Amino acid sequence: DTGVSQDPRHKITKRGQNVTFRCDPISEHNRLYWYRQTLGQGPEFLTYFQNEAQLEKSRLLSDRFSAERPKGSFSTLEIQRTEQGDSAMYLCASSFRDYGVYEQYFGPGTRLTVT
Amino acid sequence: SQQGEEDPQALSIQEGENATMNCSYKTSINNLQWYRQNSGRGLVHLILIRSNEREKHSGRLRVTLDTSKKSSSLLITASRAADTASYFCATEDRMDSSYKLIFGSGTRLLVRP
Repeated sequence: DTGVSQDPRHKITKRGQNVTFRCDPISEHNRLYWYRQTLGQGPEFLTYFQNEAQLEKSRLLSDRFSAERPKGSFSTLEIQRTEQGDSAMYLCASSFRDYGVYEQYFGPGTRLTVT
Repeated sequence: SQQGEEDPQALSIQEGENATMNCSYKTSINNLQWYRQNSGRGLVHLILIRSNEREKHSGRLRVTLDTSKKSSSLLITASRAADTASYFCATEDRMDSSYKLIFGSGTRLLVRP
């Protein structure tokens, strides 16, 4: 198992364009989380999935953002009509909640720059 | 929104010295976790302490938790240049079934060789 992977690692896009990020969690992890981190701050929760169900979305997740986790495996996060304020690091994490395991394992992140 | 504050925001020490960073939070928690983040990279899980624990050790790391004060501290002993990173505490809210993590603002540690 190689851990949580994210693709791409870096994305530069022009304002108004759509972008999509992918996260591959640790296999058999049933929970997947998306966080956003801006410079000098800690990560902030965006949304999470238990298996394929999206169970909670933060107020940070405007209607321009959509996330999916088909078949409860990998997940995608799409941002439509990007704005400069969307520039941030987008982090994915996965965990397997059963049997008392609590740690969330993070991927390397996708750094988005909107010009 | 951030759970709380970490103190100090930045810390510079000499290699071999100990580094202590503190974290405060606001709600009742299931557990508190510490993560390390090297510049521009993902987070690495360091240690988890449950709400019914007061102290935990892992290698050169010692974590304490005081639920009455809603605070935690991370001590790194005999620091090394490779410990240079940002350190974040994160909490799970006891009343939140999502188990999402609420992060502090982080402490940037610089260990000078």
